[in-house]
Amino acid sequence: GAGVSQSPSNKVTEKGKDVELRCDPISGHTALYWYRQSLGQGLEFLIYFQGNSAPDKSGLPSDRFSAERTGGSVSTLTIQRTQQEDSAVYLCASRNRGTDKSSGANVLTFGAGSRLTVL
Amino acid sequence: SQQGEEDPQALSIQEGENATMNCSYKTSINNLQWYRQNSGRGLVHLILIRSNEREKHSGRLRVTLDTSKKSSSLLITASRAADTASYFCATVPSGNTPLVFGKGTRLSVIA
Repeated sequence: GAGVSQSPSNKVTEKGKDVELRCDPISGHTALYWYRQSLGQGLEFLIYFQGNSAPDKSGLPSDRFSAERTGGSVSTLTIQRTQQEDSAVYLCASRNRGTDKSSGANVLTFGAGSRLTVL
Repeated sequence: SQQGEEDPQALSIQEGENATMNCSYKTSINNLQWYRQNSGRGLVHLILIRSNEREKHSGRLRVTLDTSKKSSSLLITASRAADTASYFCATVPSGNTPLVFGKGTRLSVIA
């Protein structure tokens, strides 16, 4: 597609329920990132997929969080047994293949985010 | 942990004035980027400056980078009400690592 698409745009759930957030990156972008943004805060890195390499999961806050990327395209972020502190906007971004020396390297295109509210 | 820290946290100016935001970071970097976020939306890339560059311009934006001080500044000249947004710096630490974002500066431009 023309941009990064995320769904749902808003999700309200009860504590203890599982949620799935979806990200559809720009076609052909090899890298996909998930970030979390709490109210009034900066972006917290969660997980990063690059091509067929093993994902960088170093930012996932607990084992309740997991993500997968099927066929090198669509990604799903799953939060199990949600807690109130999981409430945040979850942002997905993708980028082109490139090296640091090429124009546009590492420039991310973000989706509009999925706002999660855990009651 | 956050790599970049923006300063000030919030800035309010009159339309037509210049707005300057600063960013400090901790480790060596390949490049530094500035992004803008309108309320309730995703981030939009504004400008990228490489570690071997000292200044870069794009329209009303001017970015400087001082690697010896590990700092960068974003200047928006002749600000407009439509520039009201949060502005984030993001760094790419050496190597193939994800962008690390600061907490942002909330800019309000009053018409």
